[in-house]
Amino acid sequence: EPEVTQTPSHQVTQMGQEVILRCVPISNHLYFYWYRQILGQKVEFLVSFYNNEISEKSEIFDDQFSVERPDGSNFTLKIRSTKLEDSAMYFCASTGRVVASGRDEQFFGPGTRLTVL
Amino acid sequence: AQSVAQPEDQVNVAEGNPLTVKCTYSVSGNPYLFWYVQYPNRGLQFLLKYITGDNLVKGSYGFEAEFNKSQTSFHLKKPSALVSDSALYFCAVRDRGAGTALIFGKGTTLSVSS
Repeated sequence: EPEVTQTPSHQVTQMGQEVILRCVPISNHLYFYWYRQILGQKVEFLVSFYNNEISEKSEIFDDQFSVERPDGSNFTLKIRSTKLEDSAMYFCASTGRVVASGRDEQFFGPGTRLTVL
Repeated sequence: AQSVAQPEDQVNVAEGNPLTVKCTYSVSGNPYLFWYVQYPNRGLQFLLKYITGDNLVKGSYGFEAEFNKSQTSFHLKKPSALVSDSALYFCAVRDRGAGTALIFGKGTTLSVSS
């Protein structure tokens, strides 16, 4: 069964450093998402991406964050200058329809745990 | 604003007993509702969804959920729990016409004892 994969599983970085979290969505999917979960809190939407551009973003997704689909398979989340409060589990998700509908379920990766020291 | 509440951090049941994991939601319009499950070191796995129609929705692994519009609830249920059902369960909502992002609850840990 196709799966969303994410690397690395755990990333430790120093405050102020740049990090790139990588995701490989399911191969025929067209909509891509990043979510995060700070320990003990809700899973929060960050951004959605379709047709090589951001389609939605939350208030969390400020200028420190960016997303990119650098090739036909990877989808990345970059945090330019990490802060302590960026420590969280980051989940990538994808969904497949040509025109995504609100009724479509999303397929999630296992997450990357980011620890900012 | 859209929101989801899962009032229980943990639910404990004995194997073979019925289980319920509670979820209530708040949206301005009509909702799409989802349940996901997360096992250790795995991504969130889709269980079931309510889009329209029958208020009782059946999903994977014998789970079902009942949409109750008047109570704005979407509780997850299973008639007979298995030890292997022990996991973290997330309820999520999306307001129709409000994009495709999911709004999640905090999650409920289900522990099924043998």
